[in-house]
Formats: sequence, C-alpha cells, structure tokens
Amino acid sequence: DSGVTQTPKHLITATGQRVTLRCSPRSGDLSVYWYQQSLDQGLQFLIQYYNGEERAKGNILERFSAQQFPDLHSELNLSSLELGDSALYFCASSVGPSGLYNEQFFGPGTRLTVL
Amino acid sequence: GIQVEQSPPDLILQEGANSTLRCNFSDSVNNLQWFHQNPWGQLINLFYIPSGTKQNGRLSATTVATERYSLLYISSSQTTDSGVYFCAVPPRGGLGNLIFGKGTKLSVKP
Repeated sequence: DSGVTQTPKHLITATGQRVTLRCSPRSGDLSVYWYQQSLDQGLQFLIQYYNGEERAKGNILERFSAQQFPDLHSELNLSSLELGDSALYFCASSVGPSGLYNEQFFGPGTRLTVL
Repeated sequence: GIQVEQSPPDLILQEGANSTLRCNFSDSVNNLQWFHQNPWGQLINLFYIPSGTKQNGRLSATTVATERYSLLYISSSQTTDSGVYFCAVPPRGGLGNLIFGKGTKLSVKP
C-alpha cells in the first residue's frame, strides 16, 4: 500500500458524459501528479499540482481539468467523454515540488470505461 | 525529449530462474524509478535509484548514470513476480513528471 488513495476504482460511463476522479496523496506529500495509461499511448503524464497550485502540464486534453484543494486532495475532471478516453488513470504524490529529486508514489488507479 | 527504452519487451521464465531487465535513457537524469505493474494494474514502487546499487530481497537494481542505463535483477523468480516492469525518469529541464519506458512484460511459469 503506497498510501495514495484513489476513488472510484472502476467507472463505466457513456460517451459525452462527465466524470470526476478523486485522489488523496500520502500524508505529508504536497505534490499530486495525474497520469493516463492507455493501450496505445502507454503511461503519460497529464498534470501536476503542488500545494494547491498548478505546476506542470503534460499531454492533457482541453476537455480535462484538475484542481488541488486546501486539504491537498485532488480531482481530475473529464468531460465530453470519448471512447478513446477509456484508460487507467493514476494519481501519484511526492513530498516536494519537483519530481526531479523526489520519489513518486502511485495510487491503485481508476479504470475508466467509456461505452 | 528524453527517450526511455526497455529490453527485452517480453520475457518468459520458469519459476526459480534469474533475469536481468535493462533500461536505457537518452539523456542525463537526476533520478530513476523502477515499478512493477501487477496483473491487477497496480503500480508498485520497487526502487528509487538515481545511481549506484540497491537491494530489496530477491530484487536488486543498478544505475550507471554516466552511461545512461539501469538494470533490474530478479533472482529465484516466483509466479507472483509476473507483470510488467517499468522504468521511469524525469525529463531534463522538466519539472519532474516521469517519462516511462514501454515496459518489460514478465511471465513466470510454475
């Protein structure tokens, strides 16, 4: 158990819908990262927050957004869902603002299926 | 950007055998992590190893940063070692997100 929690574990929804994925980092970690794992693209970085502020952006679609709340939990919002958004979404956390020098710990993931 | 290549892509072993997985990266890095993704999809931290050698039970890892590669050794493999092994590095000049290799899929047969 990494100490990072994600809910829900599984999510099945229809095209065009909107969903919210939730992540709680390890106790004491201030950074939260979101990654997407799909069959064709592998594991890809989406976005990072540090202590409530957006810090880095990766290959995140405009239909996706995220935020980190004062209690440090984070939510990833996916809207206007398409079949291609079906994937495993991971949240990771680290102590400091930069993953350059900090180990990242991953949650169990949320498996999203868009029908 | 930085390229991360893992080899071999697939590996089938008999229980009890040893194996070596390799990770090559195209630029200098400040850290490197090895993960095991089990058949249920969970990503489990194995090693945080910017350089040098670390051991944890039957697993050990070595990173030679100057030569841009890392090795993961699995000894006396067990069926529970099956899954995909990823190495990941933060891109130089980036803010620290990890770039993942495509993984090595390991199957350990009883």
